[in-house]
Amino acid sequence: QVQLVESGGGVVQSGRSLRLSCAASGFTFSSYGIHWVRQAPGKGLEWVAVISYDGKTKYYVDSVKGRFTFSRDNSKNTVYLQMNSLETEDTAVYYCAKNQESASRGGVGGLDVWGQGTTVTVSS
Amino acid sequence: DIQMTQSPSTLSASVGDRVTITCRASQSISDSLAWYQQKPGKAPKFLIYKASSLESGVPSRFSGSGSGTEFTLTISSLQPDDFATYYCQQYNTYPRTFGQGTKVEIK
Repeated sequence: QVQLVESGGGVVQSGRSLRLSCAASGFTFSSYGIHWVRQAPGKGLEWVAVISYDGKTKYYVDSVKGRFTFSRDNSKNTVYLQMNSLETEDTAVYYCAKNQESASRGGVGGLDVWGQGTTVTVSS
Repeated sequence: DIQMTQSPSTLSASVGDRVTITCRASQSISDSLAWYQQKPGKAPKFLIYKASSLESGVPSRFSGSGSGTEFTLTISSLQPDDFATYYCQQYNTYPRTFGQGTKVEIK
């Protein structure tokens, strides 16, 4: 079945780095954009970043620009979120999610498949 | 950035009630709107796309409407499994912003 599995979360001190991974299965990974969405404790959902099907196009929310880098390895069906200079405000559950539409259909739409999330805690 | 504003923030309702949640965009997003349901400790579940199209497997008691800047999610007859938090999200432009959420509670 279509599945996304995140890993790499943990507890880290402010200013340090962490790399999250999201492994995909059950669909043609190289045809879909992938997103990261985060949720701080007790708060709502915040869209973080997207990477296009081929890895050539990326967008980030302003609060992580210059600190987070999104990449993908289509040979491994995996995306990565490198998070540098972490701040306490980055504490959240991080979800990866699949774009509803494939690149050949325009690459838009909602986020139709989500991982279970991985927790990142940044301590001061 | 496009701001998405949901109302109400919390809604108390009983099983069988008709429930409506509103989502407003700070500028026109055509019909580029999705709705999600989230239960505590779980990932969001995709419900509706293109403002009114039901995702496969989602019960028909859920419906969406609207275009431009004003959208609604309606649950025609609230079921016990529907008590959750609901989010709208625009996918017209980046960043793809979410509404702040509407928690549907048991009355």
